[in-house]
Amino acid sequence: DGGITQSPKYLFRKEGQNVTLSCEQNLNHDAMYWYRQDPGQGLRLIYYSQIVNDFQKGDIAEGYSVSREKKESFPLTVTSAQKNPTAFYLCASSTYTDRGPTEAFFGQGTRLTVV
Amino acid sequence: ILNVEQSPQSLHVQEGDSTNFTCSFPSSNFYALHWYRWETAKSPEALFVMTLNGDEKKKGRISATLNTKEGYSYLYIKGSQPEDSATYLCALGGATNKLIFGTGTLLAVQP
Repeated sequence: DGGITQSPKYLFRKEGQNVTLSCEQNLNHDAMYWYRQDPGQGLRLIYYSQIVNDFQKGDIAEGYSVSREKKESFPLTVTSAQKNPTAFYLCASSTYTDRGPTEAFFGQGTRLTVV
Repeated sequence: ILNVEQSPQSLHVQEGDSTNFTCSFPSSNFYALHWYRWETAKSPEALFVMTLNGDEKKKGRISATLNTKEGYSYLYIKGSQPEDSATYLCALGGATNKLIFGTGTLLAVQP
């Protein structure tokens, strides 16, 4: 089945530690995205990538890092510099045309809790 | 930061009521407007992607319109059912394939 997979579903981290969230897709999509959701808020863009070996900062990139070494994979590292890392993280992918991204497909999300 | 706004923030309706939500966005340099439905414990799923001013799209009881000149889109649900309860998100697609979401409208349909 084609789709986008995030792991793990739940993640606990001690304050001061880096942690990496996995996102893999087999939809052959060029574009991939990471979003963060906090209670009562919408999806805020952390980083996105249009193509392998390229990525751009979104609106809230501080304290996060990404890589795009393979088309299928777009891991997100939450570093110790991120002041409020506890949140729900969603990964998405899409193709794109001259009218921008086509419909995005989402993973199931990772809920990160800093303890 | 691109500002995509949705209203209302939440809505409670009775089964059978028709309802609509608004998505507002900057009208300059428009590329595409997306609508998604996000049910509890599931992933967001695309409803519509609209690119042309005056676009109208329909899927069952749900339809959407787009006005790129004034920077808004409406999502309509006719005869709401309890299974329509979800958060409805709009998103603005941009030139660099950025996809920026609004804060969403939470719809609760009471049986």
